Order: sequence, then structure tokens, then C-alpha cells
Amino acid sequence: GAGVSQSPSNKVTEKGKDVELRCDPISGHTALYWYRQSLGQGLEFLIYFQGNSAPDKSGLPSDRFSAERTGGSVSTLTIQRTQQEDSAVYLCASSSGGGTIYFGEGSWLTVV
Amino acid sequence: GENVEQHPSTLSVQEGDSAVIKCTYSDSASNYFPWYKQELGKRPQLIIDIRSNVGEKKDQRIAVTLNKTAKHFSLHITETQPEDSAVYFCAASLRENKLVFGAGTILRVKS
Repeated sequence: GAGVSQSPSNKVTEKGKDVELRCDPISGHTALYWYRQSLGQGLEFLIYFQGNSAPDKSGLPSDRFSAERTGGSVSTLTIQRTQQEDSAVYLCASSSGGGTIYFGEGSWLTVV
Repeated sequence: GENVEQHPSTLSVQEGDSAVIKCTYSDSASNYFPWYKQELGKRPQLIIDIRSNVGEKKDQRIAVTLNKTAKHFSLHITETQPEDSAVYFCAASLRENKLVFGAGTILRVKS
């Protein structure tokens, strides 16, 4: 595709439910990032995938958060047993490695 | 460790004045330094970047300077306009090309 695609764009879920957020990076991009941004806050790094290397998971806030990247392309961020503090925009970004990273529009998650 | 510090956290300037945002980084191996602008409710978008073999780069009203010895880089916006109001993020590349972002600067241009 022309840009980084994320789905769903908006998600409202009940506390305790699991959610999956999907990211489709720009074709050919080897690097993929997930960030979390709460209202009015900065970009909180979650996880980084680069080619076939082991992902950098150092930013995941708890073991309720996990992410995978299948076939070096599409990535899914999973949040288990959601809590209200998980409410935020989840941004995915991709790059060709060492170059400009491009962000998706984000998935706006609201936990009620 | 991996760290990018950004100052100030908020900046208010009068329309037509200049704005300067500064960042420092910890890893001397960093070689790529982009700046992103995020308007309210939108995704961050690249506005300018610089690589370690260049000391300064300019694009119309926007310029970025890099001092590798001191490990800091700055964004300069001249003749600010109301549409420059946004959050600006600096970033630095680290090992395995991972980008680390600063905490952001809220720029408000008063008309």
C-alpha cells in the first residue's frame, strides 16, 4: 500500500476483554515500531521489529502486552485483560531500516 | 543507556519570531536525527532530518543543526506562523537503526 495502514481506527472495549490491533507496514519496509500515545503525552515506545532479528520488547509495559510480526510484514499488538489505563492511541510506524519512519493513523483504544 | 532529552517542553512565541528546540542524545554512534511535527489528532510527520556527516540542513523556514562532539542537535523555525503550532518530536537512531524519540515540545505561535 501507499502508507502504513492500521486497524481498527477506533475500538471501544470493556475492561477485562482482550483486544488485537493490526498494522500493515509499507511494502518492503524491514523495520516496524509500535508506540503508545496518551492524550497530550509523548510517544511511548513499546516494541521494535527489525528484519529477522529478535524484537526489542523493552518498552512493553506489562506481560498483558504482546506483539508479533508474521512473515516480516503485518504485525499484531495484543492487549490481554484490558484496563482503563490502556486507553490511548496506538501508533504503528515502519521504515526501510536506518531511514525515515512513517506513521500510521493510529488505533484509538478506549477501555470502559 | 538509550536516551534522547528534549527542551523546552513548551514554547510560546509571537508570530514572526523564531523558535528553537534542542535535543541531546547519549549514544555517540547515533547517525540519523529526524524531526517530526504532530498536529492535534493527527499522526507525526517528518519535517526535516539530518545525518551525521552534515552539520546543518535548511528547508525554507526550517533548519536543523548538529553538533556531534557535544551530542546535541536543534530545530530552528524562523518567521513563525500560527500553522506552525503543534507538538515537535526529535529522534536519534541507535544500534540496529532503532529510533528513540524525545518527549516532545508543544509550540504555540500567538498571532
